[in-house]
Parts: sequence; C-alpha cells; structure tokens
Amino acid sequence: IQMTQSPSSLSASVGDRVTITCRASQSIGSDLNWYQQRPGKAPKFLIYAASSLQSGVTSRFSGSGSGTDFILTITSLQPEDFATYYCQQSYSTPPTFGQGTRLEMK
Amino acid sequence: EVQLVQSGGGLVKPGGSLTLSCAASGFTFNSFSMNWVRQAPGKGLEWVSSISSSGTYVYYEDSVKGRFTIYRDNAENSLYLRMSSLRAEDTAVYFCARDYRTTLTTFTVDYWGQGALVTVSS
Repeated sequence: IQMTQSPSSLSASVGDRVTITCRASQSIGSDLNWYQQRPGKAPKFLIYAASSLQSGVTSRFSGSGSGTDFILTITSLQPEDFATYYCQQSYSTPPTFGQGTRLEMK
Repeated sequence: EVQLVQSGGGLVKPGGSLTLSCAASGFTFNSFSMNWVRQAPGKGLEWVSSISSSGTYVYYEDSVKGRFTIYRDNAENSLYLRMSSLRAEDTAVYFCARDYRTTLTTFTVDYWGQGALVTVSS
C-alpha cells in the first residue's frame, strides 16, 4: 500500500494552525498512525487508529479520516513542533510510511 | 520508564554481516511484539522486520528476506537483527521499536531506540 503525504514541506509561524494530508493507495479503514521526527532523533508516536491521541501527547495534535484520506492537524504551533511528520499504515504487511512532511518555521 | 538501548552499528563491507542489538527495560518484554525500522541518510522511514512476543512469528520487508534475521531473547530482554549479504542500499540508521499493544502484532510502534548507523561501503 502506497502512502502519499502532502505537502512535502510546509512553512508556518508560531501560533499558526496547520494541516498535513496523507492518502493511501487503497482503503485502510482507520489503521493509520502519525509520527513526529526531529533532526537526529528517533520518531515520536503521536496518533494511532487515525484519531486516537497517544498518552502524553499534547491535544494541539489531532487526527481525522478513514478509508484512504487522512489529516493531521496541529493548532497553535509551538517552536518544538517544527519537525518532520510521517503517516504510516498498519492495515497490511508490509507496513508503509508516507514520504514525510517537513514543517519549517517561516 | 520504557527504554530501548541499541548497540552494534558500524561500517561493514558489501557482502559482509553485522548484528544489531536492542536491550529493553521498564516493561514486560515478553508481552510485546518488537520491530526494526530503518532510515537511509536524508530519507524517510522504512519498516524492516517484526517479531511476535513469543518469537514464533516473524515478518520481513521483501528486500531483506533471506538476508536479515530477527530474533529475540526474552530471558535477556533483548532484540536482535542479524544482517548478512549486506548491500550499499542497506546503509541506514536502524531503529528498534516496541509494538504499542501487548500480545498482538499491530505494526504500530510507540517506543523507539536511539538508532544505530549501519554503513555498507568498501
């Protein structure tokens, strides 16, 4: 299953609201996860099952969607949110990731 | 506190072998499936392999099948990835990662190791 994220990069300012889209090449139900990765660090688990927030993750992150189209929304951007975001389908093997969306500070 | 501490990365020649290790602590290791995910320099994430909590079931990405072996030692709370017939395209940071649910293999990971760089070059 191919996962395609858009945009590939995004510029925003502290306090902004941003959305990142992830599209699957076939229906994956709600088996969609989101991760954040800062440079030189391991990814951080944000959202599972398309819309469930992982424990300890700020509620400024939210996810939505089902089937083939999914959205990650970040409200009130903070400096620590500037990173790369990946979606990943866990519907079938092999699990596959999107190519990533780099969120940069404007 | 859940911790996954990796070791074993390094430089290896094409065709060579290397074993990565991941020492787990802070959770009941034998209750969780475990995974390896890699990231080539400047590239995105790629799932490599998974192993069930008991070690009975294993999964591999097609490009590593027959060359990589995932295994675990539940008595030692450790996960391993034995890599052989290494190719230049295997050059990447390799992360071990824990499945977020107990017992099941969901291919959803919550905790990650710090990563280990494997460089395949002559």
